[in-house]
Amino acid sequence: QQPVQSPQAVILREGEDAVINCSSSKALYSVHWYRQKHGEAPVFLMILLKGGEQKGHEKISASFNEKKQQSSLYLTASQLSYSGTYFCGTPDGSSNTGKLIFGQGTTLQVKP
Amino acid sequence: DGGITQSPKYLFRKEGQNVTLSCEQNLNHDAMYWYRQDPGQGLRLIYYSQIVNDFQKGDIAEGYSVSREKKESFPLTVTSAQKNPTAFYLCASSIDPASRGGSDTQYFGPGTRLTVL
Repeated sequence: QQPVQSPQAVILREGEDAVINCSSSKALYSVHWYRQKHGEAPVFLMILLKGGEQKGHEKISASFNEKKQQSSLYLTASQLSYSGTYFCGTPDGSSNTGKLIFGQGTTLQVKP
Repeated sequence: DGGITQSPKYLFRKEGQNVTLSCEQNLNHDAMYWYRQDPGQGLRLIYYSQIVNDFQKGDIAEGYSVSREKKESFPLTVTSAQKNPTAFYLCASSIDPASRGGSDTQYFGPGTRLTVL
């Protein structure tokens, strides 16, 4: 079952904050976050594991609530370089295959 | 420098032709994956391989074939049976899903853009 991301698209001004959500109908072992620039490969941002821990990457942080089966990505004081499409990925079924199912993506555009 | 390479970057195919996309990694990763991405869409898994000489179908394997004869290489063949092959193809690898499970991170190559003429 594909995770659902919201919103589908966000437009921000530099310095503004944004939150991207990723929800699953299945129990989650972990959530993987990637950012993809247009025409390029997805770049790994961070992985959230069971335990509700938060992680950070520059001014980007994320949380994981396994009870609610969801993760949120927080982009603080956004920069032009944050523009791109953000994907969350969750393990598919058996957790030892490495298979991830990716959400449809959230497109973020940061304007000057 | 360790990483994942894909070639070619752009590929044009005539209808009815088979084409092979290359994916090589020197990260010593056990697992490799092939994804297809269509404009404005997420990533869909075509095939994956956890170890050499073994691979499994993903969600959209029809019209594609793979081989894993070496740990470093996982080529994807797009056959003439694939009716709509125009897409961006991404190869990825991860260290060892069998032991790391859901914490095994995938790293992506730069991709191959395939266009059918």
